[in-house]
Amino acid sequence: AQKITQTQPGMFVQEKEAVTLDCTYDTSDPSYGLFWYKQPSSGEMIFLIYQGSYDQQNATEGRYSLNFQKARKSANLVISASQLGDSAMYFCAMKHNYGQNFVFGPGTRLSVLP
Amino acid sequence: DSGVTQTPKHLITATGQRVTLRCSPRSGDLSVYWYQQSLDQGLQFLIQYYNGEERAKGNILERFSAQQFPDLHSELNLSSLELGDSALYFCASSLEGQGNTGELFFGEGSRLTVL
Repeated sequence: AQKITQTQPGMFVQEKEAVTLDCTYDTSDPSYGLFWYKQPSSGEMIFLIYQGSYDQQNATEGRYSLNFQKARKSANLVISASQLGDSAMYFCAMKHNYGQNFVFGPGTRLSVLP
Repeated sequence: DSGVTQTPKHLITATGQRVTLRCSPRSGDLSVYWYQQSLDQGLQFLIQYYNGEERAKGNILERFSAQQFPDLHSELNLSSLELGDSALYFCASSLEGQGNTGELFFGEGSRLTVL
């Protein structure tokens, strides 16, 4: 069964510094996708970045990058040059390429300090 | 704007009542997911439909039911409501298939309060 673990319930980072949000996953299927979503206090879910299990390079989207270590089954999100607007809940998620379910981790609440 | 529309945005009702939440997916998306998010909790997968057919079921209570109609909009029906059903209910849609990453596009959610 798919399972996503985010071991950091809450994180603090100083504005303009980089921060890494941890995500590990459990699957026996070799074909899957990993996703990160941001949920600000307003409640909407915003897609940030995607990494496919067969992708050779780590995904990057602007200030977001994904540190993908397939053998360790980890997909950590790195946010560079943190901004106050980055304060939010961040969810890691996984979906098998030929499966149905889209599973989310418990989330990490990031607070960016001025 | 994700292109996914959910109504109503807010709903307040009493225990024992029944409500229907509505979702219109992004144009072209065949897959619709429903999630429940209780206060300060993660997203609990309820159910998924693909092109009108139920595709996967998560931790959905027997008091809850859903369907996807021929025009691809979906409804989530919650009955015999209890205080613990108070939550934010998200609908999300996805374009699945070869060459697509399959990310979910979320609606703004329907916040249900049961008094």
